[in-house]
Amino acid sequence: RKEVEQDPGPFNVPEGATVAFNCTYSNSASQSFFWYRQDCRKEPKLLMSVYSSGNEDGRFTAQLNRASQYISLLIRDSKLSDSATYLCVVIRNTGGFKTIFGAGTRLFVKA
Amino acid sequence: DVKVTQSSRYLVKRTGEKVFLECVQDMDHENMFWYRQDPGLGLRLIYFSYDVKMKEKGDIPEGYSVSREKKERFSLILESASTNQTSMYLCASSGQFNPSYEQYFGPGTRLTVT
Repeated sequence: RKEVEQDPGPFNVPEGATVAFNCTYSNSASQSFFWYRQDCRKEPKLLMSVYSSGNEDGRFTAQLNRASQYISLLIRDSKLSDSATYLCVVIRNTGGFKTIFGAGTRLFVKA
Repeated sequence: DVKVTQSSRYLVKRTGEKVFLECVQDMDHENMFWYRQDPGLGLRLIYFSYDVKMKEKGDIPEGYSVSREKKERFSLILESASTNQTSMYLCASSGQFNPSYEQYFGPGTRLTVT
């Protein structure tokens, strides 16, 4: 079982839809959480950090549930430009920091 | 803007060749990383370095080595390329005191070993 798991998708949604992705992690020592975005044939870029209190950046909301060990990303009012792969990233500190990337969830937003 | 550059976007090498992939960052970051990215597997860490001349193995170091002689430059070496090393290679850097631990990635090198 992978330490960080994501539904690979693809998620196909119309413009304007709301879409949510989940990511589960198995190591309870995990302490920092992020969502990265990767466009086709491009490098990953940080989208947002994830906090227990949740955080929002425009149409994007990220949540962390430590008890159930998952993080989520909600995209409201989807745009064509949101089409990308969304990578869940977990950092844990067990005798040194380790960054673990999920395999990503692909999103296609269609007109 | 942080800039991470990689020496080649596309590379084709033959089995058994020694391959050098270079990465340069311009933000004076302490940490540098080499990943490979394969479909369905995500990014897997090969090696990372937290200081000049320092290196640590990641999850899949076999068949690879690294060199960090200068702070801004981190090289990945495939001692004897094999077909199962065909992949997208991504370099990244992050600042040691960056509380968000954001990693900045280069554009990637797509390596094909024939």
